[in-house]
Amino acid sequence: EAQVTQNPRYLITVTGKKLTVTCSQNMNHEYMSWYRQDPGLGLRQIYYSMNVEVTDKGDVPEGYKVSRKEKRNFPLILESPSPNQTSLYFCASSPILAGEKETQYFGPGTRLLVL
Amino acid sequence: KQEVTQIPAALSVPEGENLVLNCSFTDSAIYNLQWFRQDPGKGLTSLLLIQSSQREQTSGRLNASLDKSSGRSTLYIAASQPGDSATYLCALWMDSSYKLIFGSGTRLLVRP
Repeated sequence: EAQVTQNPRYLITVTGKKLTVTCSQNMNHEYMSWYRQDPGLGLRQIYYSMNVEVTDKGDVPEGYKVSRKEKRNFPLILESPSPNQTSLYFCASSPILAGEKETQYFGPGTRLLVL
Repeated sequence: KQEVTQIPAALSVPEGENLVLNCSFTDSAIYNLQWFRQDPGKGLTSLLLIQSSQREQTSGRLNASLDKSSGRSTLYIAASQPGDSATYLCALWMDSSYKLIFGSGTRLLVRP
């Protein structure tokens, strides 16, 4: 089944404790992206990646890191989480065929609470 | 900077009604526009994608239109059902970047 998976689905942590949220897709998509969703603010893009070893900042990259060492994986790293990073996080992937921008496929979300 | 607005923020209708959800954007240099559905506590599911050169797309009871010059897209849902209750989001790719920009969504409730 074609899908985007995220782990963990729920996470409670404390300020300053490094964490990683994993994202994996099995559709051989070039493009992958991370979003956060907050009430009243909608979905905002954190980072995106056009392909292996190619990443770029979205609209709200502060406090986050990403890496793209393999095509299928795009982990989101919070080196020192703070309470304002409490949010619902989504990973998504999309084919980029000859530069064309196609439908994005979303993971189920990771709900993060930072105390 | 592109701004995407969805009005209304919430909508409640009786079952069977035809309804229209609106999405407006300030910069017409878009590559395409997508409509997504989000169920509570779940991820987003793509409903329709309209390329910038297209005027509309249809899938079952859903019809999405795009008017680039006026910066508007509408999602028409025919004969609404309680199972249509969800949040509907529009999102667009700009011509000049690979960032996806979302509206804040319309929360729809279809009452039996």
